[in-house]
Amino acid sequence: AQSVTQLDSQVPVFEEAPVELRCNYSSSVSVYLFWYVQYPNQGLQLLLKYLSGSTLVKGINGFEAEFNKSQTSFHLRKPSVHISDTAEYFCAATRQGGSEKLVFGKGTKLTVNP
Amino acid sequence: SQTIHQWPATLVQPVGSPLSLECTVEGTSNPNLYWYRQAAGRGLQLLFYSVGIGQISSEVPQNLSASRPQDRQFILSSKKLLLSDSGFYLCAWGNTGTGVYFGAGTRLSVL
Repeated sequence: AQSVTQLDSQVPVFEEAPVELRCNYSSSVSVYLFWYVQYPNQGLQLLLKYLSGSTLVKGINGFEAEFNKSQTSFHLRKPSVHISDTAEYFCAATRQGGSEKLVFGKGTKLTVNP
Repeated sequence: SQTIHQWPATLVQPVGSPLSLECTVEGTSNPNLYWYRQAAGRGLQLLFYSVGIGQISSEVPQNLSASRPQDRQFILSSKKLLLSDSGFYLCAWGNTGTGVYFGAGTRLSVL
């Protein structure tokens, strides 16, 4: 079975600073990896996904993530954050070729301060 | 393009009352469908998933049930709500290799 660990529950940063949200996964089989964003009282929006191919994945809103198989990581990065990026971010994994039952991390609350 | 509709957005129900939350998907056929719950301050927990009409798998034993009467319709139900059923319920759909996409969610308060 897969498991996903988000190492930071809260990350405060200043506007225009870079940010990295960390995600590690554990799985005995190949996985697909995802990052989602959740704004208050809303559903989850898919930011980006890694299915295969290039290990650097670019998503919406200027975010990107890099799949590192040797370190079993899929960290999310943005070079310069905006106030509007304040939200909760979830990393998720699912087994390749399965029914895509996502296993989620517990989330990282990103707060961007002026 | 694909869209997912989930309603109602908010719901306040007394303990012991029944529940029915509905979710429909447009623009795709034979999707995998999911119900997740997000309790306050906690992550997302998969409750049910379905790979086809009438095929429901339950991930955790609980007071809830799910049904899929049509290809793109997924319903979450309860006969008698408990206080512990309060939370944010999210319906989602996916196809192999496409990712999983979520509805806007239903915030359920059981009082």
